[in-house]
Amino acid sequence: DSGVTQTPKHLITATGQRVTLRCSPRSGDLSVYWYQQSLDQGLQFLIQYYNGEERAKGNILERFSAQQFPDLHSELNLSSLELGDSALYFCASSAGRPGNIQYFGAGTRLSVL
Amino acid sequence: TQLLEQSPQFLSIQEGENLTVYCNSSSVFSSLQWYRQEPGEGPVLLVTVVTGGEVKKLKRLTFQFGDARKDSSLHITAAQPGDTGLYLCAGASNQFYFGTGTSLTVIP
Repeated sequence: DSGVTQTPKHLITATGQRVTLRCSPRSGDLSVYWYQQSLDQGLQFLIQYYNGEERAKGNILERFSAQQFPDLHSELNLSSLELGDSALYFCASSAGRPGNIQYFGAGTRLSVL
Repeated sequence: TQLLEQSPQFLSIQEGENLTVYCNSSSVFSSLQWYRQEPGEGPVLLVTVVTGGEVKKLKRLTFQFGDARKDSSLHITAAQPGDTGLYLCAGASNQFYFGTGTSLTVIP
């Protein structure tokens, strides 16, 4: 158990819909990262938050947004969903300094039908 | 653009064989990490290497960081079915970059 909790584990929805994925980091970790993993793209970094502030942005679509709350949990919002958004979404947490070890949650499997 | 290329992409071997997975980049990283991911789970950290030329051993796994800190290798001795999984390297610079992954299957 990595200590990172993601909910829900599975999510099935339709195109055009909006969903919210939730992540609780390990106790004491200030940084949260979101990744998307699909068969053809591998593990793609989306965005990082550190203590409530956006720290780094990767290949995140404009239809996607995230935030980190004062209690350090984070949410990833995916809107106007398309079939191609079907993937595994992982959250990871770390102490927050560059190169710190990232601990991953078990992921949320999103299926867009 | 994928900064870290892993090879091979897929590997299927018999139990007891040795194998090496490579992680190559044209970029320099302050540290490099190897993860193993099993189906339905998140990646689990195996090792972090930070010094050019560094070699770390974890039981039957040997990790090496290139002298120029641009590449790394993972060698598994006497592979076992429990080694089956997706092996990912990740380099840290201003952010984290994951490699393309190597899917290993060890056949009993």
